[in-house]
Amino acid sequence: AQKITQTQPGMFVQEKEAVTLDCTYDTSDQSYGLFWYKQPSSGEMIFLIYQGSYDEQNATEGRYSLNFQKARKSANLVISASQLGDSAMYFCAMRDTGYALNFGKGTSLLVTP
Amino acid sequence: SAVISQKPSRDICQRGTSLTIQCQVDSQVTMMFWYRQQPGQSLTLIATANQGSEATYESGFVIDKFPISRPNLTFSTLTVSNMSPEDSSIYLCSVTTGTGGNEQYFGPGTRLTVT
Repeated sequence: AQKITQTQPGMFVQEKEAVTLDCTYDTSDQSYGLFWYKQPSSGEMIFLIYQGSYDEQNATEGRYSLNFQKARKSANLVISASQLGDSAMYFCAMRDTGYALNFGKGTSLLVTP
Repeated sequence: SAVISQKPSRDICQRGTSLTIQCQVDSQVTMMFWYRQQPGQSLTLIATANQGSEATYESGFVIDKFPISRPNLTFSTLTVSNMSPEDSSIYLCSVTTGTGGNEQYFGPGTRLTVT
């Protein structure tokens, strides 16, 4: 069975600083995918970034990058140059063999001026 | 990518009634999923909606409570039956696109409050 762990219930960061949100996972599958989503207070789930288990390079999408350390089973999200609009819940998720997602508990990020 | 719409966006319902949530995608997709997000919690998969066959439900979710239809490759419905206050949640549909399921998009969600 897959398990996703996000150990930071809440994080603070100052505007324009970088922040790392932690995610560790456990799976016996050789092929898997890891996702990060942003959920603002409106409730929508915004897809941020994807990392495949066989991808040799860390994924990047604009200000988002995924620090993938396969041996440590970690897939941390790095947000560079934080903006006030980045304040939201962030969820790490893993795709199972049926393509559905298993989610971590989430991290609440607050960006302060 | 995929653009997904859900109806209704929110509703307040009486205990014991049922609500049907619609999910419409702007392109044909094979895989559609329904998730529930209880207040302050993470997302939990309810079922995988398969076109042309019965939905596949996760442990703890049953067809009598959450019947699902998937009449074609762009549309699905989830019904929450015989509602109780514990069913108050955000219900989200999602679809998989891209090679090997490396893109997964969510609808805007339906906020359900049961009184």
